[in-house]
Formats: sequence, C-alpha cells, structure tokens
Amino acid sequence: DVKVTQSSRYLVKRTGEKVFLECVQDMDHENMFWYRQDPGLGLRLIYFSYDVKMKEKGDIPEGYSVSREKKERFSLILESASTNQTSMYLCASRQGSRGTQYFGPGTRLLVL
Amino acid sequence: EDQVTQSPEALRLQEGESSSLNCSYTVSGLRGLFWYRQDPGKGPEFLFTLYSAGEEKEKERLKATLTKKESFLHITAPKPEDSATYLCAVQENDSGYALNFGKGTSLLVTP
Repeated sequence: DVKVTQSSRYLVKRTGEKVFLECVQDMDHENMFWYRQDPGLGLRLIYFSYDVKMKEKGDIPEGYSVSREKKERFSLILESASTNQTSMYLCASRQGSRGTQYFGPGTRLLVL
Repeated sequence: EDQVTQSPEALRLQEGESSSLNCSYTVSGLRGLFWYRQDPGKGPEFLFTLYSAGEEKEKERLKATLTKKESFLHITAPKPEDSATYLCAVQENDSGYALNFGKGTSLLVTP
C-alpha cells in the first residue's frame, strides 16, 4: 500500500517563528510536491522537487523554502511564519510525469 | 482565467438519487485528467486517471468520462458515505510534473 506521511496533523506557531513541515514517502518516487489548500482557493502549488537536491517554484513560493536531501523526504520551511500562512498543507509524491499522484494526510497549521 | 472549473460548487442529493459532477478544462494539450475524493480534514484520495477523449473508468458507484473539453463524474444511487469533496485536476502536455486543480464540488448525500 502506498504511503505518504506528514510529520504533524496539527501545528500551532507564533508569528515570526521558523516552521518545518516534513513529508516522507515510501514508494521511491522521483517527484514530490507541497501544496496549500484554503477555502475558496483550492489547492495551490508552493514548490516541487523532481530529484534529490532539485527544486522548482510553484505558483505561490513567496515566504517558503524547501529542502530535499534524500529521495524519500521533502521538507517545507516557513522562514518567518505569518498569519496569512495559516492553512492546510498537503504533501504529495508521484513517479515520473504520468504516474498517479498520492497525497499525505495534511498538516493544519495555525499561525497566531 | 482558471484552467479547471468544477460545477456545481455544492450538491445535495437524497440517497439513491443519481447525478453528475462536471469538470471543464481549457488546456492546449491534455496529458491526463485526474479525479480525487477528499474527506474533511484529510488529504485527497486518488480515484481515476483519464488520458484521452472517449475514455471511461468505473469504481463502485462512480464512473468518470472524458471529452475534449470536460469530464463528468457520474454517481449512481449514491449513499451517505459518498459525501465528500470531489476534486478534478489536469496536466498539460508541456507542464512537466504539476497538476492544476479545480476548486472542487462538495457533495452531501442525505439518508
């Protein structure tokens, strides 16, 4: 059974804190993605990675960075959290450009 | 302009009342169209991939179809457990790896 796991289901952070969201997949997929999901806006792509140490900006990368040191792990970093980064964060992975994209359970982040 | 538009935004059905959800898209070349189901507070769960016009896929009470401009997700005799948000996503031929998602249709099936 395919598995994408995210380090936390719920997080509460203060404005200005550095926040790390971690994602691990066990399917040996090349491609990994970070999305955020907000009511009325749908899923928006923040960053994706097509190989270890490789990354590409998505539609809304401002205020975020990513790290992929190992194939199975993709981290999203909020350098200085702000209240407008309160959202549901979803990680996904995919093999190649035609494979099925699988999602993790999501992390609901609240920035106070 | 959105590349992927889903309608209706919300749909309420009685148990057993069949209906269809629509996903219309505007891309120059379609590599694939994907349907997902998402329960509240959870990540999207993959349902179907469609690659070319005329293709159909079925799973239990769900059937997905594809034309050159839109896809339909037909729900036959729905049950309350089919209540969820259904997401559609498209991948263009030259978009690399990224999927472009619609905003979803929220389905409620009442007993």
